[in-house]
Amino acid sequence: GDSVTQMEGPVTLSEEAFLTINCTYTATGYPSLFWYVQYPGEGLQLLLKATKADDKGSNKGFEATYRKETTSFHLEKGSVQVSDSAVYFCALAANTGANSKLTFGKGITLSVRP
Amino acid sequence: EAEVAQSPRYKITEKSQAVAFWCDPISGHATLYWYRQILGQGPELLVQFQDESVVDDSQLPKDRFSAERLKGVDSTLKIQPAELGDSAMYLCASSSWGDEQYFGPGTRLTVT
Repeated sequence: GDSVTQMEGPVTLSEEAFLTINCTYTATGYPSLFWYVQYPGEGLQLLLKATKADDKGSNKGFEATYRKETTSFHLEKGSVQVSDSAVYFCALAANTGANSKLTFGKGITLSVRP
Repeated sequence: EAEVAQSPRYKITEKSQAVAFWCDPISGHATLYWYRQILGQGPELLVQFQDESVVDDSQLPKDRFSAERLKGVDSTLKIQPAELGDSAMYLCASSSWGDEQYFGPGTRLTVT
């Protein structure tokens, strides 16, 4: 079945440091890929997405590129802020007609210190 | 901005009791999802509705869980009887066909 694997956490960085969070996936066909963010006490918010190979999703300074050859969708940000502290989830949607459920990775907690 | 509403936000119940959660999706969204998120894990789909019909409930423990969306708008997820292992965050999401899923704030369930 479909699956998403995220790097182990947690991750602690100083403000303005470079961020990379690794994500690889296993799926049949051509899934859409997503990064969701969850702030403390809140639901999930879509951060960015990519729907086909070589697409780059970007939002709020975060970027991720859909790499079909390596089945990866790594999240990057050039300079993190304290306000980026949250849990980040990589996810895929199989795009199989009516069933468009999301399959999530385990998530990784990012803490940014001033 | 339209949001997915869920209630209650927090629920504490004793083992073997019944518990119910409610979700009101964004107006006009035909697809509604219930996910369960165990602490330290990513959300997992329990049930997906398209209008009032169930599209996928393959991961729903049907001996104790039930879900309905009678008029194709709001939805209720019920657990009876609750077990200790049901302690988790229950998330509702909605979407238009094939579009982005919008998540509610979730219901945090603690079973004692």
